[in-house]
Amino acid sequence: QKEVEQNSGPLSVPEGAIASLNCTYSDRVSQSFFWYRQYSGKSPELIMSIYSNGDKEDGRFTAQLNKASQYVSLLIRDSQPSDSATYLCAVNSYGNNRLAFGKGNQVVVIP
Amino acid sequence: ETGVTQSPTHLIKTRGQQVTLRCSSQSGHNTVSWYQQALGQGPQFIFQYYREEENGRGNFPPRFSGLQFPNYSSELNVNALELDDSALYLCASSRSEDNYEQYFGPGTRLTVT
Repeated sequence: QKEVEQNSGPLSVPEGAIASLNCTYSDRVSQSFFWYRQYSGKSPELIMSIYSNGDKEDGRFTAQLNKASQYVSLLIRDSQPSDSATYLCAVNSYGNNRLAFGKGNQVVVIP
Repeated sequence: ETGVTQSPTHLIKTRGQQVTLRCSSQSGHNTVSWYQQALGQGPQFIFQYYREEENGRGNFPPRFSGLQFPNYSSELNVNALELDDSALYLCASSRSEDNYEQYFGPGTRLTVT
């Protein structure tokens, strides 16, 4: 079992719709959870961090964390063409300094 | 912009050669982590440096080594390059106090032929 899994294939959403991305992780002691956005040919950009169960909103982005079920999700509301990118889920465990990344999910927003 | 810089931007090397990649961390950040990202994959942790010492290492062979300097900048050295070392090498800086929020530099694209 991979540490961090993002299983969905490319996601196409119409402009203005909600894009929903999911991520599961295997280490039950994981403490910190992050979403990075990566445009083609660029480096990952941190867009959300979440540390406790529940929802965290920042602008059009909402991160949701459920530690009991070991999943974290990202919602992008009012999707814009500029949101077209690959979204990487990253997880860090307590006392462990490295980030474990999923493979990423490509989002394409169709005007 | 994160304030993390990396050099060079692109590099082409031949199998068996050695390479040094450089990273300057964001102001106020004391920790540098290095990742390798192959095409279509998520970044893979190579190692981290804190207070000029290696502070954790991923599943990479000893020919991957690094340094951190007193100003928190860092180098990644790779000896005996292999074709599979072709990838985007990412440096991320962070503060040890900040729940491991890591901010990436633009990366160095290494091609080994």
